[in-house]
Amino acid sequence: GAVVSQHPSWVICKSGTSVKIECRSLDFQATTMFWYRQFPKQSLMLMATSNEGSKATYEQGVEKDKFLINHASLTLSTLTVTSAHPEDSSFYICSARGPGQGREQYFGPGTRLTVT
Amino acid sequence: DAKTTQPPSMDCAEGRAANLPCNHSTISGNEYVYWYRQIHSQGPQYIIHGLKNNETNEMASLIITEDRKSSTLILPHATLRDTAVYYCIVRFLTSGTYKYIFGTGTRLKVLA
Repeated sequence: GAVVSQHPSWVICKSGTSVKIECRSLDFQATTMFWYRQFPKQSLMLMATSNEGSKATYEQGVEKDKFLINHASLTLSTLTVTSAHPEDSSFYICSARGPGQGREQYFGPGTRLTVT
Repeated sequence: DAKTTQPPSMDCAEGRAANLPCNHSTISGNEYVYWYRQIHSQGPQYIIHGLKNNETNEMASLIITEDRKSSTLILPHATLRDTAVYYCIVRFLTSGTYKYIFGTGTRLKVLA
């Protein structure tokens, strides 16, 4: 149980275009999901917290107008990278807070974004 | 800043136990300790979590000191597939939500 999927697993886009990444909790409902970014050989950096039915909360330094987050249902959150630039190329990972007593997070497999 | 401190790397012989330490001296009384691992180019995989008591599951054991300021993740019989970066995490409460702040983790290399 507690499986999180992401789609697509990898995407290449041209500079200036927008890309949408989906994150789904497959076998549980998640009122809270999280989006992380990871650059090569670095740790995960929390970008934002996505709450079902309300606005996302962004971490300091993350541009909310550039990284649009929508959490329209209890099983789906989306991250849209708008007007992508090469420096946005990264590994984007989502997680969902599980139903267990420990409220542990379950992570998706990640989406590798390359902006050319 | 991450609330945990881990050694940057460790080696372990295949078949032997891998003991990965973590310091979390600022942990509060009701906070859980979580362990994850990340294999190259994949999302982090949940391993185990604990509050006060030692915990064991099919993947690993978690030993938490009595003062809760440190813990050790034990992989009882390490295999080559256990080579990964292991993260010890204590949740961080901000804006009414518990969040993870990832540190640099321990890069475990299991040697044949």
